[in-house]
Amino acid sequence: DTAVSQTPKYLVTQMGNDKSIKCEQNLGHDTMYWYKQDSKKFLKIMFSYNNKELIINETVPNRFSPKSPDKAHLNLHINSLELGDSAVYFCASSPTRLGVNYGYTFGSGTRLTVV
Amino acid sequence: GDSVTQMEGPVTLSEEAFLTINCTYTATGYPSLFWYVQYPGEGLQLLLKATKADDKGSNKGFEATYRKETTSFHLEKGSVQVSDSAVYFCVLFIRGATNKLIFGTGTLLAVQP
Repeated sequence: DTAVSQTPKYLVTQMGNDKSIKCEQNLGHDTMYWYKQDSKKFLKIMFSYNNKELIINETVPNRFSPKSPDKAHLNLHINSLELGDSAVYFCASSPTRLGVNYGYTFGSGTRLTVV
Repeated sequence: GDSVTQMEGPVTLSEEAFLTINCTYTATGYPSLFWYVQYPGEGLQLLLKATKADDKGSNKGFEATYRKETTSFHLEKGSVQVSDSAVYFCVLFIRGATNKLIFGTGTLLAVQP
């Protein structure tokens, strides 16, 4: 059973299109994240939601909009896709109260290619 | 601000060689430190962690010691294998309302037979 699952795994689309990436976790974690990994493997946080509430919103273009219908889901919608949006996007989750065991779990990533 | 600096790759080693990947950090308070690994075509996996000064994290033959005096968390392995080829990320964890992870840029390790 996959703990954090993202769909699709690969996404190829044309510039200007609107696309969504879905993320679901079955770990009962309260906090979910979206990270972007660029072509140089550098990872940067984009958004974080805690119990459906946005708590981190880094400097990301307004074309990116996260949506959390419930605490087990955090979807990423991207409008008017640009070439520079090509990257691997990782979803992650963690429990709200972190004790000794830090329960960060990452999804396997979604490779987005904008052509 | 809080940040992580790790050595740039790629690091190319022969099998059974000794590995060191340097990582230093800047942080306010008392962060926790992690090493994550990303194997080719896969997602991120937690490799090891240390939650306070002088803690040593270890897993799969890899070790890293949280050195507060030098603000470092260098990753080491005594004898690497081809299967260790991956990208390694040093990560800073800031506990608080946001529980934020700050990633280093990653170091590609290529182990040759």
